[in-house]
Amino acid sequence: GQQVMQIPQYQHVQEGEDFTTYCNSSTTLSNIQWYKQRPGGHPVFLIQLVKSGEVKKQKRLTFQFGEAKKNSSLHITATQTTDVGTYFCALDNYGQNFVFGPGTRLSVLP
Amino acid sequence: DADVTQTPRNRITKTGKRIMLECSQTKGHDRMYWYRQDPGLGLRLIYYSFDVKDINKGEISDGYSVSRQAQAKFSLSLESAIPNQTALYFCATSGSGTNQPQHFGDGTRLSIL
Repeated sequence: GQQVMQIPQYQHVQEGEDFTTYCNSSTTLSNIQWYKQRPGGHPVFLIQLVKSGEVKKQKRLTFQFGEAKKNSSLHITATQTTDVGTYFCALDNYGQNFVFGPGTRLSVLP
Repeated sequence: DADVTQTPRNRITKTGKRIMLECSQTKGHDRMYWYRQDPGLGLRLIYYSFDVKDINKGEISDGYSVSRQAQAKFSLSLESAIPNQTALYFCATSGSGTNQPQHFGDGTRLSIL
């Protein structure tokens, strides 16, 4: 089955610093989704990437799909305390369902 | 999403008991999923269903069963609960076709003593 890694597992940053999490797959992907889970909450869909090399932005969040479609990244510019949570990538499992990565937990110190 | 409702929100029970977790949705989605979440392991798929007559095992189906009673309802059962099934359980839905986002319920926190 598909293997998915996310690094780092945890990240502590000072408010205002940038943050990046990486998602790596053992196989070429058709697409990738990103989700955010606030502490005590449920995962919420952020975005989907489909095209090789695709870059999408949502305010301070930048999502990128690798040229080989085997990895992806999420970058947050100038973190805020509202960015606290766990960020998951989810890989399309041959159109049947999605395989979630283990997540990166972000803490932002004010 | 309030459109995906899980009951109960919390449950404490004893080893060997039968437990049912329920999920209902008002989004009109055909696809429904059950996941469990454990610290450091992300979300792992237990079962999923693409319509009322379709049930599929996920990565960790052993010890669990499901029932898709209607398009809007998908329940998860633990026939004889064991302590290592203590976890946070999420139900999710998505539309049909590829590239559809998943919409999650608020989760059920299950503790088995």
